[in-house]
Amino acid sequence: AQKITQTQPGMFVQEKEAVTLDCTYDTSDQSYGLFWYKQPSSGEMIFLIYQGSYDEQNATEGRYSLNFQKARKSANLVISASQLGDSAMYFCAMREWNAGNMLTFGGGTRLMVKP
Amino acid sequence: DAGITQSPRYKITETGRQVTLMCHQTWSHSYMFWYRQDLGHGLRLIYYSAAADITDKGEVPDGYVVSRSKTENFPLTLESATRSQTSVYFCASRGRAGNEQFFGPGTRLTVL
Repeated sequence: AQKITQTQPGMFVQEKEAVTLDCTYDTSDQSYGLFWYKQPSSGEMIFLIYQGSYDEQNATEGRYSLNFQKARKSANLVISASQLGDSAMYFCAMREWNAGNMLTFGGGTRLMVKP
Repeated sequence: DAGITQSPRYKITETGRQVTLMCHQTWSHSYMFWYRQDLGHGLRLIYYSAAADITDKGEVPDGYVVSRSKTENFPLTLESATRSQTSVYFCASRGRAGNEQFFGPGTRLTVL
């Protein structure tokens, strides 16, 4: 079974609007962390936001927020006030504390911001 | 310069040749990782290392060899390159107490 599932291969959003990128995960660990990375066309991996499984508050970093619903095992990324520079691939990833220290990545969502 | 660097950034080689991709980080991070990213896919872990002289297999280790004699370096060797190893390779590192993995710029490898 896939550990990280991103069901939206591609999405469009109008500039200045908010957009939600979906991510669901599968783990039996109680301790884990969820990450979002951005990969622009230049290819580098840029860390956006982190949510720990015990964090009670949803993580926020500037225009990025993580909608963490533990019971549903979802960790959706919300980008507010989209900008043209937000056009990129977005990857959700998980680190399970009992499964070593590697990240397991989803297949990604390509976000395209329309002017 | 501080950070994590990879070399070469681009490499074209032929089937059967040995290729080594280099990764160097200046933070003295304990953990280092090698991932590959194939067109249209997320990253898959090849090998990782928790400290110097400690390495372990990831999801797709076949055809690859790693070593870590020094904390700051984590080279990845393709002993006999195959076309299926054409990919973009990312090195990453993480401190023992931190959560974020820092990624290098990637190496685009083409095997003809």
